Amino acid sequence: GAVVSQHPSRVICKSGTSVKIECRSLDFQATTMFWYRQFPKKSLMLMATSNEGSKATYEQGVEKDKFLINHASLTLSTLTVTSAHPEDSSFYICSASGVWSTDTQYFGPGTRLTVL
Amino acid sequence: KQEVTQIPAALSVPEGENLVLNCSFTDSAIYNLQWFRQDPGKGLTSLLLIQSSQREQTSGRLNASLDKSSGRSTLYIAASQPGDSATYLCAVSSGSARQLTFGSGTQLTVLP
Repeated sequence: GAVVSQHPSRVICKSGTSVKIECRSLDFQATTMFWYRQFPKKSLMLMATSNEGSKATYEQGVEKDKFLINHASLTLSTLTVTSAHPEDSSFYICSASGVWSTDTQYFGPGTRLTVL
Repeated sequence: KQEVTQIPAALSVPEGENLVLNCSFTDSAIYNLQWFRQDPGKGLTSLLLIQSSQREQTSGRLNASLDKSSGRSTLYIAASQPGDSATYLCAVSSGSARQLTFGSGTQLTVLP
């Protein structure tokens, strides 16, 4: 149980375009979802925390207008990278926690974004 | 602000050796600490979770300890195997939103 999926697993796009990444909790209702970014050989950096039906809380230094997060249902959160630049190329990972255990986050497999 | 440090950054050992990975954190007011495994280009696999009230957790050849007062945790891997080669990440849950703060990881290579 407690499976989280991400789609797509890999995406390549041109500079200036927007890319949407989906994060789904497959077998549980996720009251909170988290979005992380990971640079090569670096650790995960929390970008934002989102609760279903409310606006996401962004970490300091993360542009909310560039990284749009929508948590429209208890099983789906989306991250849209708008007007992508090559420096946005990174590995994006989401996680979700359920109402029964707010202490535990279940992680998705990640999405590799490459902006040309 | 919570900060998590992992030492060493990289480790290479021959197969069969026992090894210890270290993790330290600056704010001892944590809810729990987790150890994850990450293979290249992949997501995270949770290995062990230690609640703040616990001292250790064991799973197979893995044993994780937690000393909350000193801000330290260790991951002990017994009888290492080439399949254990991966990056091991330590993360602590703290703050009002129970956010996870990750260390930068230890890249482990077990040589056959």
